[in-house]
Amino acid sequence: DAGVIQSPRHEVTEMGQEVTLRCKPISGHNSLFWYRQTMMRGLELLIYFNNNVPIDDSGMPEDRFSAKMPNASFSTLKIQPSEPRDSAVYFCASSVTSGNLDEQFFGPGTRLTVL
Amino acid sequence: GQQLNQSPQSMFIQEGEDVSMNCTSSSIFNTWLWYKQDPGEGPVLLIALYKAGELTSNGRLTAQFGITRKDSFLNISASIPSDVGIYFCAGQLLPGNYGQNFVFGPGTRLSVLP
Repeated sequence: DAGVIQSPRHEVTEMGQEVTLRCKPISGHNSLFWYRQTMMRGLELLIYFNNNVPIDDSGMPEDRFSAKMPNASFSTLKIQPSEPRDSAVYFCASSVTSGNLDEQFFGPGTRLTVL
Repeated sequence: GQQLNQSPQSMFIQEGEDVSMNCTSSSIFNTWLWYKQDPGEGPVLLIALYKAGELTSNGRLTAQFGITRKDSFLNISASIPSDVGIYFCAGQLLPGNYGQNFVFGPGTRLSVLP
């Protein structure tokens, strides 16, 4: 199994630009999670989906952030417009069910730098 | 919301030494997990603990779920260079609930000197 796939692995953009991060979960997994990791705040859950439906987006920092899951094999996290404080590593994780944290498998992350 | 504290924040040890790190909280958790993150990669689950007092091993790693349910420790015996990385604890308040019901600690950065 290829594991969770994220693209791009690195993104450098200028303030004000739109950024789209992509994730392909492990085949057969029904839940997908987006996390953000920074030195200051550690690893934070932004949003998670179960069967393609957003269940909890309370971690999404602002309206500039949006996430979609149009089908079981693809999700996007979009930031529009981006700001320097959005610079972080963004992880996608998937699990068979949404019930238990120990079932999550993380992708390699996308390192975002907003200048 | 819940907060997890990890100590030490970082540690430098000699290859072959044993390592001990812990995770504490003012909140009670029903599940404790320990992850390792290698540079440029996502966290990988090492050990999951589900019951107060539980002691679980995974090779050279041993972790325990504190009796008070507010802490957990991770030990690594006979460290080797590939143990280098950041070790995170995570607590889940209730199974089946996310959002505010689980949290990751800030991590302990481990460096192993040959």
